Amino acid sequence: DSGVTQTPKHLITATGQRVTLRCSPRSGDLSVYWYQQSLDQGLQFLIQYYNGEERAKGNILERFSAQQFPDLHSELNLSSLELGDSALYFCASSARLAGGGDNEQFFGPGTRLTVL
Amino acid sequence: AQKVTQAQTEISVVEKEDVTLDCVYETRDTTYYLFWYKQPPSGELVFLIRRNSFDEQNEISGRYSWNFQKSTSSFNFTITASQVVDSAVYFCALENNFNKFYFGSGTKLNVKP
Repeated sequence: DSGVTQTPKHLITATGQRVTLRCSPRSGDLSVYWYQQSLDQGLQFLIQYYNGEERAKGNILERFSAQQFPDLHSELNLSSLELGDSALYFCASSARLAGGGDNEQFFGPGTRLTVL
Repeated sequence: AQKVTQAQTEISVVEKEDVTLDCVYETRDTTYYLFWYKQPPSGELVFLIRRNSFDEQNEISGRYSWNFQKSTSSFNFTITASQVVDSAVYFCALENNFNKFYFGSGTKLNVKP
């Protein structure tokens, strides 16, 4: 058990809908990362937060948004869903930003999103 | 531009063989980080190692070792005496100076008994 939780585990929805994926980092970890894994695009980095602030943005579509709350949990909001958004969405956490020392990442089990 | 290339799509070995997974990266940043991750058939992602661009020392952890060579922009991963439990997809990744990650396409390792 990595200590990172993601809910829900599975989500089936229709095109055009909006969903929210939730991630709770390991206790004490300040950094949260979101990744998307699909058959077409492979593993892609979406966004990183550190202590409530956005730190880095990757290939995140404008239809997607995220935030990290004061209790450090994070939510990824996906709207106007398209078939191509079907993927496994992983959240990870680490103690710090990239700089300095060990900064092991711990991954949640992922949320499998299916858009029909 | 940043890019990570894992040219080996799939490798099959017999248990106890050594195997090396290749990773070549491109970046113009002077500060960056390199990662390896494991994704077993169960689907979860497991962090294996993070290396910063200023530390070219090879790393060994049990049967795993990593060879970082800036001169060839490579960060190769070797599993010694492979075991069936090593069967997984392995991803190499680069985190650039702006904390953005770039992933390779993964190498699927099949270890046969």
